[in-house]
Formats: sequence, structure tokens, C-alpha cells
Amino acid sequence: QSVLTQPPSVSGAPGQRVTISCTGSTSNFGAGYDVHWYQQLPGTAPRILIYGDKRRPSGVPDRFSGSRSFTSASLAITGLQAEDEGDYYCQSYDTSLRRFVFGTGTRVTVL
Amino acid sequence: QVQLVESGGGVVQPGRSLRLACAASGVSFRTYGMHWVRQAPGTGLEWVAGIWFDGTHEDYADSVKGRFTISRDNSIETLYLQMNSLRVDDTAVYFCARGNVLVTPDHFDIWGQGTAVTVS
Repeated sequence: QSVLTQPPSVSGAPGQRVTISCTGSTSNFGAGYDVHWYQQLPGTAPRILIYGDKRRPSGVPDRFSGSRSFTSASLAITGLQAEDEGDYYCQSYDTSLRRFVFGTGTRVTVL
Repeated sequence: QVQLVESGGGVVQPGRSLRLACAASGVSFRTYGMHWVRQAPGTGLEWVAGIWFDGTHEDYADSVKGRFTISRDNSIETLYLQMNSLRVDDTAVYFCARGNVLVTPDHFDIWGQGTAVTVS
């Protein structure tokens, strides 16, 4: 059972902006641990999209942006494209559970 | 070329053992913590185990503690996961992933393609 909660799905038309929330607690985000985001396209391995709350690795388009506010975080995708369809996961570390934790995952659908 | 390549997956009966391997190249293996993350069919990601860069410390998810053992051989840049007393709910694709150069928890920046384990 995940301690990071995400909406099961979000959708938008091409070119629109969508956001994915990730709700944590005082034992992960609130304890100062960063949030990271992964994109998993169908049939592929996850890849890092955002790390350290808002940093983008090289090669990730600036259409993807992240933010965090105490016990919650969000990923925004602007200018939604068909190739963005897939699953998105947030991740952090939980000091109470003493383990890495992933969010429940959000399926992004481009209408 | 930067890559992690898993191997060793397959079909195994409940109660039996399996050993996964993850061969690294171009990822500065010796200086990074390494992890195993799994994904059961149709579900999300679950962190399984992690090991420090020098192999001196390991951590495990409660679901596998006492049954799985993570290890590494820095001389051949390979990560292992020894899985004993396998259960049906261990069925998943197992990914190896690179962690942090420090010992503090961080993100996983490089992932392998995964190897499928079916316990049936």
C-alpha cells in the first residue's frame, strides 16, 4: 500500500496543460525528502523526468515541470503531446517506514 | 554506452529460488548505490532492495526481508538479487536502477529494461 497518493488518471487534448498531484505526509515530503517523478511509456522501463522537486535531467523537454509544497507535490505537462501518453509516478523516501516509496501512479491520456 | 542489463528471470515454482543479475556499463557502478524495483502485472512500482556503493549496507522492503538478498561485485560491475522462498505475489518485472553517489536517499536516474519473474 503506497503512502504517496496520486489520481488514477488525467486527460487532456493535444496542446493543453495537465497537472498530476502527489500527496505525501510529514514522514516523507514534510520531513524534507525531495520528490522525484518518473515517466513510464507503454512496454518500457521508467525513466527519470524530474528530480529534486523541480530539476530536469538533460534531454527532458521543458514542457515538464515539478513543484513541491510541504506535504504535496505536482507535475505539470504543458503543450500536451500524443507521445506523453503513459504512466507517471512520484517517488520519495519515508523516514517512518525507512524505505523508498512510490506514488500510486497516474495514467495520462491524450484525447 | 550507459546501460544496465538484467538477466535471470523466468518461471519458478512457489518456494523455490532464483538469482537475478544486473550488468552495468558506462554508469560509474562502483561509486553509486544500486537498487531493485519491481512491478507486478498491471500495478505500480515497488522498491524492493538497495545497497550502498561499497556493499557495506543493505535495505529491504518488508515484503521481501528475510527472503531476498541484494549484493554486488564491483570488480565486474554487477548487481545481484538472490530470491529465496518465492511466493506467487513475487511475480513481477524486476528492474535494477542506479541510486545516489551519496548514502542519502535520492532518485533513481538510470534503469535497466527489466527481467520478468513468474512464480507459479
